[in-house]
Amino acid sequence: AQKITQTQPGMFVQEKEAVTLDCTYDTSDPSYGLFWYKQPSSGEMIFLIYQGSYDQQNATEGRYSLNFQKARKSANLVISASQLGDSAMYFCAMREEGTGFQKLVFGTGTRLLVSP
Amino acid sequence: SQTIHQWPATLVQPVGSPLSLECTVEGTSNPNLYWYRQAAGRGLQLLFYSVGIGQISSEVPQNLSASRPQDRQFILSSKKLLLSDSGFYLCAWSVSGRIETQYFGPGTRLLVL
Repeated sequence: AQKITQTQPGMFVQEKEAVTLDCTYDTSDPSYGLFWYKQPSSGEMIFLIYQGSYDQQNATEGRYSLNFQKARKSANLVISASQLGDSAMYFCAMREEGTGFQKLVFGTGTRLLVSP
Repeated sequence: SQTIHQWPATLVQPVGSPLSLECTVEGTSNPNLYWYRQAAGRGLQLLFYSVGIGQISSEVPQNLSASRPQDRQFILSSKKLLLSDSGFYLCAWSVSGRIETQYFGPGTRLLVL
């Protein structure tokens, strides 16, 4: 079974609008972490935001926020006031902290295109 | 601040040739190090990770190997490349802790012909 599911292969948004990128996860571990990374065309993976399973509040980092719904096992990324430079692939990842080694499992990604 | 370097940036190699990709981290001590591969249009697949010098764990059996000769150096190797080894190789580092965010290098694009 997929641990991380990103159902949107591509998303379009106009500049200055907000966009939500979906991510659902599957784990039986009560302690886990959720990450979002941005991959521009250059290829480098850029860390955006982190949400811990025990965090009471949704994580925010500048224009990025994470809509964490634990009961639904979803961790959607919200980008506010989109900019042309936000056009990139976005990956959701999970780390299960009950395992011996804390490795990340990545989703298949969502390609975001921001238009003027 | 910490930085991570990978080289070469791009590599074109014939089938059956050897491979050596290098990754170095600056500005931190005793990092956890990782090698990932990303096939075109796909997500990341963890290949190897290391928690210390000489300590390598493999996630996927294949004709690749990894070594960590120094604390902040991680090398990905192959004795004979296959066509299926083509892809984008990313090195990452993290520091053990509650959050343990992984930070990635710029990557190496490998094309095996």
